[in-house]
Amino acid sequence: AQSVTQLDSQVPVFEEAPVELRCNYSSSVSVYLFWYVQYPNQGLQLLLKYLSGSTLVKGINGFEAEFNKSQTSFHLRKPSVHISDTAEYFCAVSAKGAGNKLTFGGGTRVLVKP
Amino acid sequence: EAQVTQNPRYLITVTGKKLTVTCSQNMNHEYMSWYRQDPGLGLRQIYYSMNVEVTDKGDVPEGYKVSRKEKRNFPLILESPSPNQTSLYFCASSSRDRGSYEQYFGPGTRLTVT
Repeated sequence: AQSVTQLDSQVPVFEEAPVELRCNYSSSVSVYLFWYVQYPNQGLQLLLKYLSGSTLVKGINGFEAEFNKSQTSFHLRKPSVHISDTAEYFCAVSAKGAGNKLTFGGGTRVLVKP
Repeated sequence: EAQVTQNPRYLITVTGKKLTVTCSQNMNHEYMSWYRQDPGLGLRQIYYSMNVEVTDKGDVPEGYKVSRKEKRNFPLILESPSPNQTSLYFCASSSRDRGSYEQYFGPGTRLTVT
């Protein structure tokens, strides 16, 4: 079984400042890693994913994440946020070969202030 | 346009009155899932389906039923809804092409059971 912990439930940040959202996971098998974003009153949209290869993954809207196997982490970063980045962000994992079962973290709500 | 659709988007009902939430995808995906989203808990998988006539329980299946008679449709059935099933529900689909199991989400159904 897998589990995901997002260490911050809310992150307030000023516009144009950098932001980092922390995600740690636990799994006894190899996993795929994902970050999804949920804008107010919308469904989830994939930001980026790590399947294999380079541990630095670039996604949409200027986001990137780094996979650290030894620390079992997959932190999300953006160097300069915009008001439009206000949303809830979810880290998720799925075990390789386990079909489509995604295990999500509890979510981090990002509020970008002007 | 590739999409996952859900109906209804909003539903208020009373305890014990059977209801069905429909989900349809037009991407010919093999895998489909239902999740519920509750504050602080992220998304939790209710049921999933790996193909037509193949379904299995997720993490929180109690009180729910599903069926997969056609590849594109995956309805969620609440035979006797209770107030603890008040939640935001998401349907998702994915393909095992490229082995990534990236999931595409519907817009969500907000269910209130009084």
